[in-house]
Parts: sequence; C-alpha cells; structure tokens
Amino acid sequence: GNSVTQMEGPVTLSEEAFLTINCTYTATGYPSLFWYVQYPGEGLQLLLKATKADDKGSNKGFEATYRKETTSFHLEKGSVQVSDSAVYFCALRIYSNAGGTSYGKLTFGQGTILTVHP
Amino acid sequence: DSGVTQTPKHLITATGQRVTLRCSPRSGDLSVYWYQQSLDQGLQFLIQYYNGEERAKGNILERFSAQQFPDLHSELNLSSLELGDSALYFCASSVALWGTSDNEQFFGPGTRLTVL
Repeated sequence: GNSVTQMEGPVTLSEEAFLTINCTYTATGYPSLFWYVQYPGEGLQLLLKATKADDKGSNKGFEATYRKETTSFHLEKGSVQVSDSAVYFCALRIYSNAGGTSYGKLTFGQGTILTVHP
Repeated sequence: DSGVTQTPKHLITATGQRVTLRCSPRSGDLSVYWYQQSLDQGLQFLIQYYNGEERAKGNILERFSAQQFPDLHSELNLSSLELGDSALYFCASSVALWGTSDNEQFFGPGTRLTVL
C-alpha cells in the first residue's frame, strides 16, 4: 500500500535557522507529492506540491524536490520565522482512472510540529 | 479562508450517542472528502463523494456513514460513539473526481469531537 514517513518531531529552532523536515514515501504507481501546513486552530493549507520526478515545489521560501531514486520529498527553508511555527504534513496522492479506488485521496505522514523561537 | 465551511466547530457528547457533522464545499466543487485526525492514527482518509455518489472509502468504521446532498453539502454521521472516536474531523473539497495534479483539495477548519 501507499504510505508516507516523516521525521519525528517536534522540531524547535531559533529564528533565521535552516529548516529540514524529512519525508519518504512508498507508493504503487507514480504519486504526486505535497506539503501541507496546519496553523493552530486552522485547517490544512497546501504549502507546495510536485507532480513528477525532479520537480521542485516552492512557496513562501519553502522548497521540496521530488526525488524518485530515493523516494523522498524533504521540506527545506533557508531562514525560518516565528510565523512559520505550525504542524507540517507530507502527503501523496495517486491518480486513479476508471476501475481504481483512490480517486485522489491524500495519504498523509504523521506530521511534524515546528516551533520557532525569536 | 479556503471557502470550505464546517459546522459545528466543537462538539462534546457522551459514549453511545450519535452526532452529525456538516460540510459545505467551495462553490463549484463536486468532490467532498472526509478525513479524521487523531493522536494515535494521525490524519487518515475516511470517505469521498462526488456529485452525490460515494466514490471511495478508506478506513471508515461501520458505525460511521456519510452522504452528499443535491446541493452538494455533505454530512458525516457517527453513531454508537466511543472514547476513541474523539478526534478532529476535516472536510475537503475539490472540483473533480480524479487525483490529477490540478485537482487541489481545499480543507475546512475542522470539527473537534470530544466523546466523554
């Protein structure tokens, strides 16, 4: 089956530090990969995505590259801010055509809590 | 604001009871997904509806059921509640059925269910 494994947290950093959150996946077929962010008391927001191997997703200073050879999609940011404190989820989605059963459902990792101190 | 609304925001009930969670998708979205976020199971897919029809099932218990109405809003019904059902329940919506790259899912703020 399909699964996503994220590095265990929580992660605590000082402002302007470099961030890496590791994510690896197991999937049948060719998944699209996503990072979602959940701020306190809110729903999930799409942070970035990549749909094929070697694609790089980027948004708000965050980046992640779809590495098929290592089945990874690690999230990075060069200089974090206090406002980046949130829970980050890595996720995958398999395209399914007629006869499939996924129909676009997301499979999530366990989430990584990031806290950034001033 | 994603455009997806969920009510109620919080729900506290007792074991054995039945509750209904409501979701209104973004205008124009035909697909609705339900996810459960709990401490022990993480964030997992429950069920998907598209234009009123059930199209995919995940790890949804038999005590749980859902439906999507002609106006496209959806309800998740949880019955014979147990302590372990306490969780955050998210609804998401998207335009289309398939998992194509442009078929982004937009999440609502969630309903926090506490079973005492």
